[in-house]
Amino acid sequence: GEDVEQSLFLSVREGDSSVINCTYTDSSSTYLYWYKQEPGAGLQLLTYIFSNMDMKQDQRLTVLLNKKDKHLSLRIADTQTGDSAIYFCAEKKTGGSYIPTFGRGTSLIVHP
Amino acid sequence: DTAVSQTPKYLVTQMGNDKSIKCEQNLGHDTMYWYKQDSKKFLKIMFSYNNKELIINETVPNRFSPKSPDKAHLNLHINSLELGDSAVYFCASSHPGLAGADTQYFGPGTRLTVL
Repeated sequence: GEDVEQSLFLSVREGDSSVINCTYTDSSSTYLYWYKQEPGAGLQLLTYIFSNMDMKQDQRLTVLLNKKDKHLSLRIADTQTGDSAIYFCAEKKTGGSYIPTFGRGTSLIVHP
Repeated sequence: DTAVSQTPKYLVTQMGNDKSIKCEQNLGHDTMYWYKQDSKKFLKIMFSYNNKELIINETVPNRFSPKSPDKAHLNLHINSLELGDSAVYFCASSHPGLAGADTQYFGPGTRLTVL
């Protein structure tokens, strides 16, 4: 299986909360990231969490980390049409390469 | 005010041609990268340079040759283009940052179409 897995699509109604999930395989991951890619643009870092944290909140974004299950989630409160994009989960392992491993991305579709 | 810029944004060319994509970052970062994103949005690392030195060269055909004239620039030259090279190519840069987070800053991408 892949190192970082995400579901490919998520559809939500405007104003609802969105939860995008990610699982990873390497328990030695140090940092876990969420990137957003809007159509025709590059990836933009949304937030990251250090592996000794369980939760991080930044305005409408909440990241939850379950190290035991190697599960990361991104919750977007009050989802807006401007949140429609592809969201990539990424992990960076301790030691060795400093290049994060990216998941395949989850396409978030927000409809009125 | 651009952080990571790439040129061109679109590139359409015939099979067998040679082409280059340029990347520049004004963030003062030491490390730059080239990624390839396929039609299914899968993002794959191709090369990484740190202070003009090649650090990582993933399994990429030797038709692809990166060149870093200085630490603010990383160009990608592709020889004998093939249909399978059609993709979006992203340049990125990073800096260890606070506690080694190594946040990646991406350029807007170059959409390469090989006919």
